[in-house]
Amino acid sequence: QLQLQESGPGLVKPSETLSLTCTVSGGSISSSSYFWAWIRQPPGKGLEWIGSIYYSGNTYYNPSLKSRVTVSVDTSKNQFSLRLSSVTAADTAVYYCARRERWAKHYHYWGLGTLVTVSS
Amino acid sequence: DIQLTQSPSFLSASVGDGVTITCRASQGINTYLAWYQQKPGKAPNLLIYAASTLQSGVPSRFSGSGSGTEFTLTISSLQPEDFATYYCQQLNTYPTFGGGTKVEIK
Repeated sequence: QLQLQESGPGLVKPSETLSLTCTVSGGSISSSSYFWAWIRQPPGKGLEWIGSIYYSGNTYYNPSLKSRVTVSVDTSKNQFSLRLSSVTAADTAVYYCARRERWAKHYHYWGLGTLVTVSS
Repeated sequence: DIQLTQSPSFLSASVGDGVTITCRASQGINTYLAWYQQKPGKAPNLLIYAASTLQSGVPSRFSGSGSGTEFTLTISSLQPEDFATYYCQQLNTYPTFGGGTKVEIK
């Protein structure tokens, strides 16, 4: 059974860089069949796609966040990561990692999510 | 980018009621639409994909329809565990989500 687990600091200071890792178990991140994504949800609000990566390293970003976002993959650790720079309070959210099949337009598997608060 | 507008944003209903949630896309997206259920403190759970295909394990009281710009999620007979927030999602150029519909107990 595939499992995704987000990890990283729960508190980040304004103007600093938010860094999160998603560890994949029960499946290989190196498979050519999947895209791996970061999606976030501010408290009490809706969902926002941040970006995705393919096992080859090809990345795709939300245009509204593109200048601040980097998504990378570490196939040796079966992990992928998110870096979001110059954070503000508006970046406070639950951050989810998720997977979709290459042919699909939906996300079948999600991590449990991790709350990141931006505050001094 | 493609905007998804869900209506209503809030819905009050009783156990046993049938309910319908609408999702409208700002431009045509064929049938590239999914529906998710989210309960407080939990990750979204996939209900329907490709507008009308029921995800394995999802009760048959859930159904989806539509194509192009207008889509619906119908719950034929609300059960206590169905009180949650529902989101639609499309992937054309990049993924976007609707604003959500919260279904509460009347």
